Amino acid sequence: AQSVTQLDSQVPVFEEAPVELRCNYSSSVSVYLFWYVQYPNQGLQLLLKYLSGSTLVKSINGFEAEFNKSQTSFHLRKPSVHISDTAEYFCAVTFTGGGNKLTFGTGTQLKVEL
Amino acid sequence: SAVISQKPSRDICQRGTSLTIQCQVDSQVTMMFWYRQQPGQSLTLIATANQGSEATYESGFVIDKFPISRPNLTFSTLTVSNMSPEDSSIYLCSVDSQGYNEQFFGPGTRLTVL
Repeated sequence: AQSVTQLDSQVPVFEEAPVELRCNYSSSVSVYLFWYVQYPNQGLQLLLKYLSGSTLVKSINGFEAEFNKSQTSFHLRKPSVHISDTAEYFCAVTFTGGGNKLTFGTGTQLKVEL
Repeated sequence: SAVISQKPSRDICQRGTSLTIQCQVDSQVTMMFWYRQQPGQSLTLIATANQGSEATYESGFVIDKFPISRPNLTFSTLTVSNMSPEDSSIYLCSVDSQGYNEQFFGPGTRLTVL
């Protein structure tokens, strides 16, 4: 069965510290990978995506994620977080032949503290 | 990117009643999706709505409980029928990006059932 796992439900971190949010998937077919962010009381916004090509993808606000096919992972990283990064982060996958349906992980709550 | 609006943004309903949620897109799209996000949970796909055909429901969701309309390429509705407190969730619609392999989400409808 195809699935997405986010092992960390909550990640507390101090401002300006680095952070990594983990995402692993299980699939026997090719995948497209996404990170969405949900700020408090707001809808989902696409943060970054991997479709093909370079395995390292970056967002405009300093986040990056690397597709690792051998480890079936797509971890999200930021070298220095800001208070405004506090949000829920969802890893999501579409599977080849899945008709563009997104399968979401359970989400990771990133809480940045002073 | 597509601009998506949903109505209502929130509602409080009585057990046993029904609520219809509207989703409007500012451009024509082929595929529209309806998701449910229960409190503290991730997003679960309810159904895929294509114009001109019946919606395709995911396991655990049935048309009698969640009837969907898709009268044209810019609009869809989801009805939550015979509601119970367990239906209290955020309901989100999303659209496929027409070849860019990503989905754009509406702001969501926050439903509370008493």
